[in-house]
Amino acid sequence: QSVLTQPPSVSGAPGQRVTISCTGSSSNIGAGYDVHWYQQLPGTAPKLLIYGNSNRPSGVPDRFSGSKSGTSASLAITGLQAEDEADYYCQSYDSSLSGPGVVFGGGTKLTVL
Amino acid sequence: QVTLRESGPALVKPTQTLTLTCTFSGFSLSTSGMCVSWIRQPPGKALEWLALIDWDDDKYYSTSLKTRLTISKDTSKNQVVLTMTNMDPVDTATYYCALYSSSSGNAFDIWGQGTMVTVSS
Repeated sequence: QSVLTQPPSVSGAPGQRVTISCTGSSSNIGAGYDVHWYQQLPGTAPKLLIYGNSNRPSGVPDRFSGSKSGTSASLAITGLQAEDEADYYCQSYDSSLSGPGVVFGGGTKLTVL
Repeated sequence: QVTLRESGPALVKPTQTLTLTCTFSGFSLSTSGMCVSWIRQPPGKALEWLALIDWDDDKYYSTSLKTRLTISKDTSKNQVVLTMTNMDPVDTATYYCALYSSSSGNAFDIWGQGTMVTVSS
């Protein structure tokens, strides 16, 4: 069971907008720690997609955007394209006394219909 | 250009110790704010953070695996080594090393291609 909760799957038609949620708690996202998002295309290593809640690394299209509020964060993808079909992971830091450290969400598989 | 590459055995037996090496280029692990981390991903499953070492040689481990993990660095060789003791079939996974830097708000900026490790007798 992942510390950060993501929906197992989302889907959308080309051109549509989809969002992926990442729900945490008061010891991670709610404590003010940044949320980062990664895209993992089939058979490849993850790639940084959004850092610091809403910042895009150079080369990432502005179709991808991130936001954070309270104990949750979201990744939005607009103008969906077939090449966006991938697994998406959120990541943050957890400061709980039982086990501080880097935490990931369980991942969300995006299917482009 | 920053690159990282993992190397190590593809197959280990249960109870053996796994040693993985991350060889990197394009940055120095002696530069303030630079860290290298290990993350693994069992087949069909989610990412799991394992360990991190920073420019000041401070080390951080996953609480659930800390008794089995050791991370170290050789700055002169641009390498980071991870050892994991008492390997079990559930440790079968692709193991990634990644650059973790303050310039991206402590995200994993760049990842290696990963190395698949199977634990089987």
